[in-house]
Amino acid sequence: QKEVEQDPGPLSVPEGAIVSLNCTYSNSAFQYFMWYRQYSRKGPELLMYTYSSGNKEDGRFTAQVDKSSKYISLFIRDSQPSDSATYLCAMSPPLGQGAQKLVFGQGTRLTINP
Amino acid sequence: DAGVTQSPTHLIKTRGQQVTLRCSPKSGHDTVSWYQQALGQGPQFIFQYYEEEERQRGNFPDRFSGHQFPNYSSELNVNALLLGDSALYLCASSLGQEQFFGPGTRLTVL
Repeated sequence: QKEVEQDPGPLSVPEGAIVSLNCTYSNSAFQYFMWYRQYSRKGPELLMYTYSSGNKEDGRFTAQVDKSSKYISLFIRDSQPSDSATYLCAMSPPLGQGAQKLVFGQGTRLTINP
Repeated sequence: DAGVTQSPTHLIKTRGQQVTLRCSPKSGHDTVSWYQQALGQGPQFIFQYYEEEERQRGNFPDRFSGHQFPNYSSELNVNALLLGDSALYLCASSLGQEQFFGPGTRLTVL
């Protein structure tokens, strides 16, 4: 079993829809949770970063972490064709100072149709 | 402020050869991590460098080695290339917990 599970999709929705992307994980030590967006043949771009449980909102994006269920979500409101990309969840444990290794999900391919 | 840069962009090698990939971190970042991303998969952690030392290592063989220079830039070396080493190699730099990725080097092994 993988440490981080993410449905690879593909997921296709109409423009303006609310998109929900999810990951589950098995390692209860994970404390830092990130969402990255990756366009085709590009490097991942950090979208959202949260520590421990709770919600975080940034513009049209909302990240939720439920540590009791080992489940994280990313919501995209008023989706745009430019949001079409692969979305990767990533997480890491709190080992000392500085950034630690990130464990990624497989990524979900999202297409927003005009 | 330039972000993370990587060179070269693309590389084609044959089995058994050796390759060196390069990474320059964001200004002010002192930690560099390397990841391998196979097609259709999430990135896999190779190793991390801090203060010119390998601080953490993922589940990759010794054929994968690296180096960090005093200016925080880094190299990834892969010896005795295998067909399965074909992938996008990503470098990420960080100062705290947030890691910022470069555009990657696409390596094809024939």
